Amino acid sequence: GDSVTQMEGPVTLSEEAFLTINCTYTATGYPSLFWYVQYPGEGLQLLLKATKADDKGSNKGFEATYRKETTSFHLEKGSVQVSDSAVYFCALRRAAGNKLTFGGGTRVLVKP
Amino acid sequence: EPEVTQTPSHQVTQMGQEVILRCVPISNHLYFYWYRQILGQKVEFLVSFYNNEISEKSEIFDDQFSVERPDGSNFTLKIRSTKLEDSAMYFCASRGQGQILAGELFFGEGSRLTVL
Repeated sequence: GDSVTQMEGPVTLSEEAFLTINCTYTATGYPSLFWYVQYPGEGLQLLLKATKADDKGSNKGFEATYRKETTSFHLEKGSVQVSDSAVYFCALRRAAGNKLTFGGGTRVLVKP
Repeated sequence: EPEVTQTPSHQVTQMGQEVILRCVPISNHLYFYWYRQILGQKVEFLVSFYNNEISEKSEIFDDQFSVERPDGSNFTLKIRSTKLEDSAMYFCASRGQGQILAGELFFGEGSRLTVL
């Protein structure tokens, strides 16, 4: 079945550091890929998405590129802020599917 | 900005009791979902609901679970006889018709269920 694997946290960084969260997936066909973020006390929010190979999703300084050859969708940000502290979830949705399949989430803590 | 709202934010119940978790999806959305996250584990799909019926459900969603859209605005998840392993954060989500390809779901803040 479909699955998403992402690096375990917590990831602790200093402000302005570079952030990478690895995400790999297993799915048949060509799924759409997503990153969701959950800030403390809030629900899951879509951060960015990519719907086909080599697409790059970007939002709020975060980027992720859909890599079909490595079945990956790593999240990156060049300079994190304290306000980026949150839990980040990688997810996929199969082209003909209805539901999202999530990874385990990665907690990121950015210290001033 | 429209949002999905869930109540209660936290419920504590005794094993064997019935629990109803409530959600108000975004008003013009047509697809509704429940997901759950057991502490420290993945966010898992439970059920999707469209046109007043279940469109897909996972193996987790057994006969103890049911969903309902009783009045055109609320979307509820009922657990008939709670077990200890039902303790989790339950997320409601909704999606509009135009977002079917993009797949964006709008999530609520979650309802934490603790079964003692």
